[in-house]
Amino acid sequence: RKEVEQDPGPFNVPEGATVAFNCTYSNSASQSFFWYRQDCRKEPKLLMSVYSSGNEDGRFTAQLNRASQYISLLIRDSKLSDSATYLCVVILTFTDKLIFGTGTRLQVFP
Amino acid sequence: DGGITQSPKYLFRKEGQNVTLSCEQNLNHDAMYWYRQDPGQGLRLIYYSQIVNDFQKGDIAEGYSVSREKKESFPLTVTSAQKNPTAFYLCASSTENTEAFFGQGTRLTVV
Repeated sequence: RKEVEQDPGPFNVPEGATVAFNCTYSNSASQSFFWYRQDCRKEPKLLMSVYSSGNEDGRFTAQLNRASQYISLLIRDSKLSDSATYLCVVILTFTDKLIFGTGTRLQVFP
Repeated sequence: DGGITQSPKYLFRKEGQNVTLSCEQNLNHDAMYWYRQDPGQGLRLIYYSQIVNDFQKGDIAEGYSVSREKKESFPLTVTSAQKNPTAFYLCASSTENTEAFFGQGTRLTVV
């Protein structure tokens, strides 16, 4: 089983739609969690950190469920510019080892 | 400006040659990482280093080597033992379980 798993998609949604991605992790010693965005042929960039209490940044909401070992990302009112690959990242306790999921591709169409 | 710099942006290698990819950061980060990304795929960890003069193998270390003689620098050598080196290579740095920052990547092509 992979340490971090994501549905690769693609998710094809119309502008204005709400879309949600999940990411599961296998190591219960995972300590920190992030969502990154990667545009085609570019480096990943931090979208948001994921806190235990959940957090929101504009149209984006991230949540963590430690009991079920998954994190989620919700995007409301999708824009064309949201089209990208979304990567979840887990850091294992005491190791600083960053583990990436394979990414979920989102395509927003007019 | 603080940041992480990879060079070169594009690199062509003949079969059988070793090449070294540069990664430099001035963020004062302790941890540095090298990832490989193939088209349409996720990031796979090659090597990472938590501190100067120490590094650990990631999931796909075979055919690669690294050094961490300085905090700011974490070069990656792609050796001739790496049979399929054509890929996008990404370097990142972070500190104490915080988010990682990436360089712009190096595209390596074997010709």
